[in-house]
Amino acid sequence: AQSVTQPDIHITVSEGASLELRCNYSYGATPYLFWYVQSPGQGLQLLLKYFSGDTLVQGIKGFEAEFKRSQSSFNLRKPSVHWSDAAEYFCAGYSGGGADGLTFGKGTHLIIQP
Amino acid sequence: EAQVTQNPRYLITVTGKKLTVTCSQNMNHEYMSWYRQDPGLGLRQIYYSMNVEVTDKGDVPEGYKVSRKEKRNFPLILESPSPNQTSLYFCASSFVGGNYGYTFGSGTRLTVV
Repeated sequence: AQSVTQPDIHITVSEGASLELRCNYSYGATPYLFWYVQSPGQGLQLLLKYFSGDTLVQGIKGFEAEFKRSQSSFNLRKPSVHWSDAAEYFCAGYSGGGADGLTFGKGTHLIIQP
Repeated sequence: EAQVTQNPRYLITVTGKKLTVTCSQNMNHEYMSWYRQDPGLGLRQIYYSMNVEVTDKGDVPEGYKVSRKEKRNFPLILESPSPNQTSLYFCASSFVGGNYGYTFGSGTRLTVV
């Protein structure tokens, strides 16, 4: 079965420090992969997406993600976090089958320490 | 502005009282979907629609109904809500294929007492 796993439920990072949020996928073939951010009380906003090609993907708000086929991973990174980055982050995959929806990981809650 | 609009944002209701959560998109998307979000469970798909008059069950359809009479609208209907349907609900839309990612509404927080 298709699945997306985010191993970390909570991550705490100091403001100004670097960030890496982990995401692993399990699909029969390479899926389309996405990262979404959900700020408190808000809907989900697309940060970036990977379809094919360059394995390092740039997104909005200074985020990037690297696709690693050998590790079935699509980790999200940011060189220096800001207090406004505190939010819930979701990794999602899509198999490309048409009718299938996005499969979401359970999310990682990011806490920023001053 | 391209967007998905859900109403209401907040709703408190009593067990068994039928309710409808509306969802409308202005991007001419064929695909629309409903998710519920619960702590520790992430987002789970309730129903989806590939186009007008075409709907299908997602992972957690029990207790819900949907309809797609127009391309822009995809209401979620709870005919007899129960407390276990207390949750945060999101509507999303995309072009068919999903590879562009979804556009999400702002969510509806439903409490059933």
